[in-house]
Amino acid sequence: DTGVSQDPRHKITKRGQNVTFRCDPISEHNRLYWYRQTLGQGPEFLTYFQNEAQLEKSRLLSDRFSAERPKGSFSTLEIQRTEQGDSAMYLCASTSQGMNTEAFFGQGTRLTVV
Amino acid sequence: DQQVKQNSPSLSVQEGRISILNCDYTNSMFDYFLWYKKYPAEGPTFLISISSIKDKNEDGRFTVFLNKSAKHLSLHIVPSQPGDSAVYFCAASPNAGNMLTFGGGTRLMVKP
Repeated sequence: DTGVSQDPRHKITKRGQNVTFRCDPISEHNRLYWYRQTLGQGPEFLTYFQNEAQLEKSRLLSDRFSAERPKGSFSTLEIQRTEQGDSAMYLCASTSQGMNTEAFFGQGTRLTVV
Repeated sequence: DQQVKQNSPSLSVQEGRISILNCDYTNSMFDYFLWYKKYPAEGPTFLISISSIKDKNEDGRFTVFLNKSAKHLSLHIVPSQPGDSAVYFCAASPNAGNMLTFGGGTRLMVKP
């Protein structure tokens, strides 16, 4: 297993277009998280899945954002009608269930909205 | 409302010396703390963690100290190496495996 994988690494899109990102977690991890990081800031939590259930969503996740994890394996994050303020690094992380388990992050998807 | 704060945006240290990175938190519910290292255009890489039942955890050149009464943690790197130059984030959660709240990061530069 090579860790958490995200695709694409970079995405440039025009304002108003829809974009979708994919995350493949570490295979035995049942928890999956999406974070967003803007320049000069730490990552901010967006949403979290345990298996296929979306258990928590941040207020940062506006109604233009939707995330799915249909079979409890990979996850997708879709942004509809992108805005320039959506430009950021979108990070996916996964953990196993249990005590004292650290989150492993993917390399992120850098989104630029022009 | 920043629940996790790293008050030093940058730190410069000579190779071979100790690097000390600091982090403060406000939420008493935080019970598990982690440090991540991040290079440009990459995701954060886990370094070391500590649970609130401990006050120190060591892994090679990296040691994390936790002072619960002061709501303060620090990461010590000794000896510092040029390859340690990166942005370091501290993060906290109510328990392990839960969502993380990150600080704003400290950029460490280790000079040869």
